[in-house]
Amino acid sequence: EAEVAQSPRYKITEKSQAVAFWCDPISGHATLYWYRQILGQGPELLVQFQDESVVDDSQLPKDRFSAERLKGVDSTLKIQPAELGDSAMYLCASSPGWGRAGTEAFFGQGTRLTVV
Amino acid sequence: AQSVTQLDSQVPVFEEAPVELRCNYSSSVSVYLFWYVQYPNQGLQLLLKYLSGSTLVKSINGFEAEFNKSQTSFHLRKPSVHISDTAEYFCAVSVEEKLTFGTGTRLTIIP
Repeated sequence: EAEVAQSPRYKITEKSQAVAFWCDPISGHATLYWYRQILGQGPELLVQFQDESVVDDSQLPKDRFSAERLKGVDSTLKIQPAELGDSAMYLCASSPGWGRAGTEAFFGQGTRLTVV
Repeated sequence: AQSVTQLDSQVPVFEEAPVELRCNYSSSVSVYLFWYVQYPNQGLQLLLKYLSGSTLVKSINGFEAEFNKSQTSFHLRKPSVHISDTAEYFCAVSVEEKLTFGTGTRLTIIP
C-alpha cells in the first residue's frame, strides 16, 4: 500500500540551529500539505502545494520557515533558526489534487522535533 | 473561513460501553467532513468521511458518524468500545481542499 514517507522520524536540535524535514508523497498526488501539531493540539496547516506551486502559506512564519517542492514531487520544510517554541510534530500529507474535492488527505508518520 | 470545535478534550469510557465524541463546525459554504484517528507518535489515519448522500457514514471498525446540517454537527459514535480504541480523535472540515482540524478528543478506555 502506498504511503507518505517522512524523514527523519525524530530530530533534536539546539536553539538557533537550522533543521530540515523531508516528505515524499504518494505517487501521483498533486496536493501536498505540511502541518504542525503542538502537543495536545490539533494539526495546524503551515503550507499547501498544488504541484510545485504554493496555494496557501498564510500561517507559515516566513521569517524562519521555508518550504519548497521544486519538481512537484517531494518536499522539504526548513526552519532557520530554530526556536524553543518550534518543538512539535511536523506532519506531511498528500491528496490526489485539485478538482477532486472531498478526497481525503493521507498522512505520513511525522517528524517529532525537539528544540533544546 | 471554516472552523471546527471539539468540545471534549478528554473522554474516559469503560470497555464495552458506548461513546460519543462531539464535533461542530462553522462554514459559510458547503463542506466535506472527516474523522481522523491518531495513535501515539503516529500520523493521522482516516476513520470515516462524509461527502454527500446518506448522512450516516460508517467505518470498518464499528464507528459511525452522522452529518446534521441544521446543527452543523458531525458527532462520532461507537456502541461498544474496545481497549484498542484508545487514541486521539480529530474532526476536520474540507473546503476547496483546505483541511482544517479541531483540537482533538483523547479517548481513554477503562478496563
